[in-house]
Amino acid sequence: EAQVTQNPRYLITVTGKKLTVTCSQNMNHEYMSWYRQDPGLGLRQIYYSMNVEVTDKGDVPEGYKVSRKEKRNFPLILESPSPNQTSLYFCASSFLIGTGRFAGANVLTFGAGSRLTVL
Amino acid sequence: DQQVKQNSPSLSVQEGRISILNCDYTNSMFDYFLWYKKYPAEGPTFLISISSIKDKNEDGRFTVFLNKSAKHLSLHIVPSQPGDSAVYFCAARDFAQGGSEKLVFGKGTKLTVNP
Repeated sequence: EAQVTQNPRYLITVTGKKLTVTCSQNMNHEYMSWYRQDPGLGLRQIYYSMNVEVTDKGDVPEGYKVSRKEKRNFPLILESPSPNQTSLYFCASSFLIGTGRFAGANVLTFGAGSRLTVL
Repeated sequence: DQQVKQNSPSLSVQEGRISILNCDYTNSMFDYFLWYKKYPAEGPTFLISISSIKDKNEDGRFTVFLNKSAKHLSLHIVPSQPGDSAVYFCAARDFAQGGSEKLVFGKGTKLTVNP
């Protein structure tokens, strides 16, 4: 089954304790991205990756790191979590349609989400 | 500055009636618009999209209308079913930011379809 798998699904941690949320996709997608969803703020992009070893900041990258050493994996790293990083996190992936205008819309496949609480 | 706005946080309709979810945008460089549906405890799933060179796209019970002059799009669900109860996100692709990797999402509208 084609899917994006995130782990853990739920995590409660304490301020400053490094954690990693893993993300893996089995669709050979080039593009992967992390979003966070907060009440009243919708989905905001944290980081994205166009391919292996190619990553870039989204709209809210502060406090996060990512890496893309393999095409299928895109872990999200919180080096020193803080309470304002309490959120619902989604990993997503897609093929890269192309950068030409009207070349097509990239349809993201999302993981089921990881609910993180930082105390 | 919010580029994609869903001004109605929630919407409640009766089963069998039409649901209309609205979305406004400010960036004229958006070239594609997409709607995603999200159930509790699940990730968003793609529903329907429309290119900015079209004004309508239909897929079964779902139709998206685009009014470029007003920078407004809407999702129509006819007839609405209880299983349509979910949060609906409007998203737009910002071509000027490099193309397919940049989707801007609205805050979402929670649709409740009452039996």
